[in-house]
Amino acid sequence: AQSVTQLGSHVSVSEGALVLLRCNYSSSVPPYLFWYVQYPNQGLQLLLKYTTGATLVKGINGFEAEFKKSETSFHLTKPSAHMSDAAEYFCAVSIGASKIIFGSGTRLSIRP
Amino acid sequence: DTEVTQTPKHLVMGMTNKKSLKCEQHMGHRAMYWYKQKAKKPPELMFVYSYEKLSINESVPSRFSPECPNSSLLNLHLHALQPEDSALYLCASSQDPLTNSNEQFFGPGTRLTVL
Repeated sequence: AQSVTQLGSHVSVSEGALVLLRCNYSSSVPPYLFWYVQYPNQGLQLLLKYTTGATLVKGINGFEAEFKKSETSFHLTKPSAHMSDAAEYFCAVSIGASKIIFGSGTRLSIRP
Repeated sequence: DTEVTQTPKHLVMGMTNKKSLKCEQHMGHRAMYWYKQKAKKPPELMFVYSYEKLSINESVPSRFSPECPNSSLLNLHLHALQPEDSALYLCASSQDPLTNSNEQFFGPGTRLTVL
């Protein structure tokens, strides 16, 4: 069965520092993977997705993620954090037509 | 138009009330979803409509009744809810119900409080 695990329920970084949010997946078939962001009192917004092809995926707001099959990972990174990046981040995997499941989420805080 | 809209933004209801949540998209998407999200938790899937037909019901109590009047609209009818049903209710849509790689587009949600 497919699943995703997000390591770290809360990550805090300084403004301008590297952001690294970890996601590991479990899948018996080639996975389709997603990162979503949720700002307070809002819905989810897609940051990026991996389907096939290039393993380094670039998304919106300067975020990118690398699909590593050997490590079953799809970590999210951003070279330089901004205050506006403070939000909840969810990794997700498609588990069949019309169905995705989410990781437990990582709350990102940015220190001035 | 690349957004999913939801009304109302906030809803307070008593346990004996009947209310409805509404969701609309004009992206031509043929899959629509209802999720429930409790504080500090990921969204939990409730229902999926594919080509206007209910395709997935995640064992949701019958006090929640979904309806898809047409390909652009999705409703969630609420009746005799419990306080533990208080949550953020999210609607989403995706282009093709049969394609696993499609991302879902989310609305801003309805914050529901049951007294």
